[in-house]
Amino acid sequence: AQSVTQPDIHITVSEGASLELRCNYSYGATPYLFWYVQSPGQGLQLLLKYFSGDTLVQGIKGFEAEFKRSQSSFNLRKPSVHWSDAAEYFCAVGLNRDDKIIFGKGTRLHILP
Amino acid sequence: EPEVTQTPSHQVTQMGQEVILRCVPISNHLYFYWYRQILGQKVEFLVSFYNNEISEKSEIFDDQFSVERPDGSNFTLKIRSTKLEDSAMYFCASSAAGEIRSEQFFGPGTRLTVL
Repeated sequence: AQSVTQPDIHITVSEGASLELRCNYSYGATPYLFWYVQSPGQGLQLLLKYFSGDTLVQGIKGFEAEFKRSQSSFNLRKPSVHWSDAAEYFCAVGLNRDDKIIFGKGTRLHILP
Repeated sequence: EPEVTQTPSHQVTQMGQEVILRCVPISNHLYFYWYRQILGQKVEFLVSFYNNEISEKSEIFDDQFSVERPDGSNFTLKIRSTKLEDSAMYFCASSAAGEIRSEQFFGPGTRLTVL
């Protein structure tokens, strides 16, 4: 069965430090890949997506992610985090066009001042 | 910028009561979805809807659940007889049809509390 794994439940970084959130997926073909962010009590905001082409994708709020087929990974990165980045981050995959999205369990990001 | 809207933002109901959660997808979108997120857990797919019928549903989406597009703008999720375990945040999403894969746009969610 298809699955998405986010191995880190919580991550704490200092403001201004770099960030990498890990995501691995299990699927036989190349899926469509997404990162969503959810602030407390809020909905889901799309940070970035990978459908095809360049494996390094740029998103909003200074985030980027790199698709590595050989590692079945789609890690999210940001060179310098801001206190406002504290939130829950979900990696997700879609299998076919307009298909359901399968979410990982999320990584909660904490920012130290 | 067009967005998906959901009403109400918070619904409190008694166990066994029927609830209807409402969504207004983005106007030119043709694929519609419901997801739920139990507090502290991941977002789970419930159902997808296209061309006035269910495309796919998860095992969560049992006979107590139904979806409907009663008019050209609304997309509803009905829970016939709510259970305590139905307490969750329910997200509606929509995506455009076409040859190119389109992302799903999510609404802000309805928090359902079953007492």
